[in-house]
Amino acid sequence: RKEVEQDPGPFNVPEGATVAFNCTYSNSASQSFFWYRQDCRKEPKLLMSVYSSGNEDGRFTAQLNRASQYISLLIRDSKLSDSATYLCVVPQVGRALTFGSGTRLQVQP
Amino acid sequence: DTGVSQDPRHKITKRGQNVTFRCDPISEHNRLYWYRQTLGQGPEFLTYFQNEAQLEKSRLLSDRFSAERPKGSFSTLEIQRTEQGDSAMYLCASTVPPTYEAFFGQGTRLTVV
Repeated sequence: RKEVEQDPGPFNVPEGATVAFNCTYSNSASQSFFWYRQDCRKEPKLLMSVYSSGNEDGRFTAQLNRASQYISLLIRDSKLSDSATYLCVVPQVGRALTFGSGTRLQVQP
Repeated sequence: DTGVSQDPRHKITKRGQNVTFRCDPISEHNRLYWYRQTLGQGPEFLTYFQNEAQLEKSRLLSDRFSAERPKGSFSTLEIQRTEQGDSAMYLCASTVPPTYEAFFGQGTRLTVV
């Protein structure tokens, strides 16, 4: 099993829709989790950090399910500008940061 | 600008040539990572440093790749005898424990012709 797995998508949703992505991880000892956003041909940028059960920032909500070893990212009221690739990152103590392959979101007018 | 900077932004080289990229992390960040990314894929880990010590290298990294961080500040990534399969975006990121929030440079896009 890969350390971090994501559904590559693409997720095609209309403006205003609610969309959710999941990211599964294999290391049950991981304590912190991150979602990054990456626009086409640009570098990844930190979107949200998750240190406990979840985090919310405006239209974005990240939730952690330790029992099933996944984190989710929920985007409400999708905007055209939300179109991007969303990368999940699960750090491991003393190890490198491992990225998922990313989930591509396309919000359509 | 106090972010992570990478140089050059673009590099075109002929197959068989050596190339070297530089990364300057955020000054107080003691961890520095190198990743490679191709279209449609997530960043693939290459290696990382804590201060000047190289702590981990990917098993996928061939002997043609070498990285240094001699004074625990900037880092260089060298690729010897480049191959067309080395064409990719090379990303550098830095963090400071205990948080693992990584900040990326804009990357170096390598094209091997």
